[in-house]
Amino acid sequence: DAKTTQPPSMDCAEGRAANLPCNHSTISGNEYVYWYRQIHSQGPQYIIHGLKNNETNEMASLIITEDRKSSTLILPHATLRDTAVYYCIVRVASYGQNFVFGPGTRLSVLP
Amino acid sequence: SQTIHQWPATLVQPVGSPLSLECTVEGTSNPNLYWYRQAAGRGLQLLFYSVGIGQISSEVPQNLSASRPQDRQFILSSKKLLLSDSGFYLCAGALVGGYEQYFGPGTRLTVT
Repeated sequence: DAKTTQPPSMDCAEGRAANLPCNHSTISGNEYVYWYRQIHSQGPQYIIHGLKNNETNEMASLIITEDRKSSTLILPHATLRDTAVYYCIVRVASYGQNFVFGPGTRLSVLP
Repeated sequence: SQTIHQWPATLVQPVGSPLSLECTVEGTSNPNLYWYRQAAGRGLQLLFYSVGIGQISSEVPQNLSASRPQDRQFILSSKKLLLSDSGFYLCAGALVGGYEQYFGPGTRLTVT
């Protein structure tokens, strides 16, 4: 079973920031938060991951609350190509550890 | 970075026919390899994973099997397909000590 809870769908206007929430209230101290996205009929794409500090890369920012029970993925300027299903996953970062994908959040970026 | 290749992209097979889906990895050695299945509108379900040649772990009892004859080759098979085997099959690989998995383009299987 997935250890995360995400809203099933969200809309965002093109050019605006998309803020995707994720609850992971049972996260353990050695578990990381990962975000992937899946554009229709393609394989999932890695976006970002973090342990407790906020992280930023060329695709997105990840904000993790101090108690680590929730996080938010931020796409700063959403484009139509960001329309996808976004998956939040918690996982121990160890060799051989599997990913468990839940249903994710379907983000629709609207023109 | 590693690249995951899968083929074919789409496949239509009758019930009772055999199946063989191949996945190959480029750009790394000794990766962990995974097979996932995704039913329409659902999340990904892990089917098999492998940490090395000939080493296969099954996550879900099913009509499918997997083999890893070479370090960078992972094969998903079935002797007799069922209607319930229809779905989107994804192969993924992870570098030793790496944090993320890289996914292939997937194979959409329709069993008729």
